[in-house]
Amino acid sequence: ETGVTQSPTHLIKTRGQQVTLRCSSQSGHNTVSWYQQALGQGPQFIFQYYREEENGRGNFPPRFSGLQFPNYSSELNVNALELDDSALYLCASRWARENTEAFFGQGTRLTVV
Amino acid sequence: GEDVEQSLFLSVREGDSSVINCTYTDSSSTYLYWYKQEPGAGLQLLTYIFSNMDMKQDQRLTVLLNKKDKHLSLRIADTQTGDSAIYFCAESRGSQGNLIFGKGTKLSVKP
Repeated sequence: ETGVTQSPTHLIKTRGQQVTLRCSSQSGHNTVSWYQQALGQGPQFIFQYYREEENGRGNFPPRFSGLQFPNYSSELNVNALELDDSALYLCASRWARENTEAFFGQGTRLTVV
Repeated sequence: GEDVEQSLFLSVREGDSSVINCTYTDSSSTYLYWYKQEPGAGLQLLTYIFSNMDMKQDQRLTVLLNKKDKHLSLRIADTQTGDSAIYFCAESRGSQGNLIFGKGTKLSVKP
């Protein structure tokens, strides 16, 4: 148990719809990162939030957006869903921006049909 | 994840040692990590090594880092069937410290 919780665990959406995934970070952690893991691949960095501001972004289009709240929990929003967005979405939290241990949640399995 | 490379499969017998290898590209990476992922689960942090270290040992796990060759390895002593999983190598990148992962090595442990 890492103390990082994600909801929902599974989700099925239709192409073109919008989805919101949620993450509660481990207590005391102020940095949250989101990753997309396609089947058979390693996780790919989407973006990171530190104290409610986005401070890093991977190679993902603007329809992937996020928020971080004052309690450091976070949301990942994806608009105009495409079939290729089907993946495991992982949230990771750290206690600072600096390179420290990142603890992952169990992920949300998103299927787009 | 194409900047971090790992072999895709490794099969060992229970009780043997497993060695999983990884090469990375960013010489400025300050931390290198090993994560374990079991079927249908998230990532479990196993261990990490700071770039100014050559070796780190933690119970059955030994991490070796060759910074000159940008080569990282994870040795699991006395491998058990419960060690069967996918193992990901990851390097930290940039001031934000986001992780760049390899594609993972699937470890199969035969009784």
